[in-house]
Amino acid sequence: QSVLTQPPSASGTPGQRVTISCSGSSSNIGSNTVNWYQQFPGTAPKLLIYSNNQRPSGVPDRFSGSKSGTSASLAISGLQSEDEADYYCAAWDDSLNGQVFGTGTKVTVL
Amino acid sequence: QITLKESGPTLVKPTQTLTLTCTFSGFSLSTSGVGVGWIRQPPGKALEWLALIYWDDDERYSPSLKSRLTITKDTSKNQVVLTMTNMDPVDTATYYCAHSPITYYFDGNTLRSDNWFDPWGQGTLVTVSS
Repeated sequence: QSVLTQPPSASGTPGQRVTISCSGSSSNIGSNTVNWYQQFPGTAPKLLIYSNNQRPSGVPDRFSGSKSGTSASLAISGLQSEDEADYYCAAWDDSLNGQVFGTGTKVTVL
Repeated sequence: QITLKESGPTLVKPTQTLTLTCTFSGFSLSTSGVGVGWIRQPPGKALEWLALIYWDDDERYSPSLKSRLTITKDTSKNQVVLTMTNMDPVDTATYYCAHSPITYYFDGNTLRSDNWFDPWGQGTLVTVSS
């Protein structure tokens, strides 16, 4: 049911940079901004990035977002053990006239 | 501080109607640019957007579930209610409500909207089983 495609998993050692991709289409990422959410097991998702590259207050600056064409990326610089979580991208879809989420990526800190 | 909390049955039988209530504080759904959305997550699976309602009574639904969903708001009670008819075991999931601000910007000559979900309620697990 997910319209946006993400890799199932990503990993890195502490201090490394990890990038998660989010692939969509012209009706969603290609036309609208992208948001990213972080979710720890058993807890509700938390907004991590909004409007492609904006960080809400309290989100560390090691998290950054970008968008190009019909794809978006979330980068985690200086990976830390507490970054181990699931990450979801999301965007509005003009064709569906609604929000669409990505398939989700589990980040593991080795 | 904005908070939201979902409430409703934890167990429903197949074919029954599910009614979930989102009670919130810290904002008003009569304020311009404010919305509340519902999102669900089956165990071990990805997030799925269900519905949104805005301050101006604009309602949006997931196309795949539109025939089964109704979202309403009670501004005086600070509540948003989601009903889903004809429940099936595949609807077993944690259901979240979330505050959804909306902003507008011009992309060239085209007016576009930008919205996100922040914060989220804690979620409520609904199991569909006979």
